[in-house]
Amino acid sequence: QVQLVESGGGVVQPGRSLRLSCSASGNSFRNYAFHWVRQAPGKGPEWVAVISSNGNNKDVADSVRGRFTVSRDNSKDTLYLEMNSLRREDTAVYYCARVGYGDYLEYWGQGTLVIVSS
Amino acid sequence: EILLTQSPGFQSVSPKERVTITCRASQSIGYNLHWYQQKPGQSPKLLIKYATESFSGVPSRFSGSGSGTDFTLTISSLEAEDAATYYCHQSMSLPWTFGQGTKVDIK
Repeated sequence: QVQLVESGGGVVQPGRSLRLSCSASGNSFRNYAFHWVRQAPGKGPEWVAVISSNGNNKDVADSVRGRFTVSRDNSKDTLYLEMNSLRREDTAVYYCARVGYGDYLEYWGQGTLVIVSS
Repeated sequence: EILLTQSPGFQSVSPKERVTITCRASQSIGYNLHWYQQKPGQSPKLLIKYATESFSGVPSRFSGSGSGTDFTLTISSLEAEDAATYYCHQSMSLPWTFGQGTKVDIK
């Protein structure tokens, strides 16, 4: 059974940085692409980033391009989201999610809350 | 970017009634449309993948239809535990996008 556990959220001032982690248990972390999806309070989900199974291919949403970086460490079964120059509009619950045997999000973590506020 | 428009935004429905939620894409996405259920304080859960395929363990009262630009999620007979917000999601092309959600309330 796959379990995803996010950590690293918290309250941060605008302009500062934060690194989120997503630890995966179960099997075959290295065989799957992972995504980060965020959800602002009372809003629908918003796709943030994707990283391929070997980490060589990545992409991020335009709203975070140049500020957020996605990476992974397959030796540690861990996914990361480095967030720099944070803005108030980045306030959201951040979920890591794993694809299934196709381009859909089969497994989701419980989320970690990021609040950008002075 | 492919825009997904869900309707209605809110439905109040009695138990055992049928629920229909629609999702319209701004351009053709084939069958690359998925449905999720989200309850308060929880992460989204996959219900339907590739427009019509029920995900493992999902009750048979949930079904999906459609292709191209118009899609439908149907709950054939609403149960109290189905009170939630439902989202469609397209994976035709990056950036992946989600609908704005349909909240289903039990009358």
